Amino acid sequence: EAQVTQNPRYLITVTGKKLTVTCSQNMNHEYMSWYRQDPGLGLRQIYYSMNVEVTDKGDVPEGYKVSRKEKRNFPLILESPSPNQTSLYFCASSLKAPGFGANVLTFGAGSRLTVL
Amino acid sequence: DAKTTQPPSMDCAEGRAANLPCNHSTISGNEYVYWYRQIHSQGPQYIIHGLKNNETNEMASLIITEDRKSSTLILPHATLRDTAVYYCIVRVAPSGLIFGKGTKLSVKP
Repeated sequence: EAQVTQNPRYLITVTGKKLTVTCSQNMNHEYMSWYRQDPGLGLRQIYYSMNVEVTDKGDVPEGYKVSRKEKRNFPLILESPSPNQTSLYFCASSLKAPGFGANVLTFGAGSRLTVL
Repeated sequence: DAKTTQPPSMDCAEGRAANLPCNHSTISGNEYVYWYRQIHSQGPQYIIHGLKNNETNEMASLIITEDRKSSTLILPHATLRDTAVYYCIVRVAPSGLIFGKGTKLSVKP
């Protein structure tokens, strides 16, 4: 089944303890992206990647890192999590950069992160 | 910055058509309009997209005005399971799709 898989789905951690949220897609998509969703603020883009080894900042990159060493994986790294990073996180992918014709985004199920 | 404007919320009676408007007055000639929806806290789901012509698929219809400055998503026979937040999106280069706050559609029995 074509899908985007995120792990963990739920995580409670403490301030300053490094964590990684993994994202993997099995559709050979070039484009991948991370979003966070907070009440009243909608979905905001954190980082995106046009292809392997190519990443760039979205609207809210502060406090996050990403890497794209393989086409299928795009992990989100929180080096020193803080309570303001408590949020619902979504990973998404598309064949090419979305916005042209049938290049639509497929989203993962989400990862709910709580930082105490 | 989102390039679209949507009403924050709408209600619709079950079984009736839900018509969700979107304004995208600054859209350029080669930019597509996309609609996604998000049910509760699930990952957003693609619904439909269009460039100039009206489009229909198994989920919905998309009506785009001739000047392309606005569009309407139509769910022909809304059910309770269509209760969701609906996002109208125009591509923002180079990062891809920027989601605004969408329209919260409540389908009522």
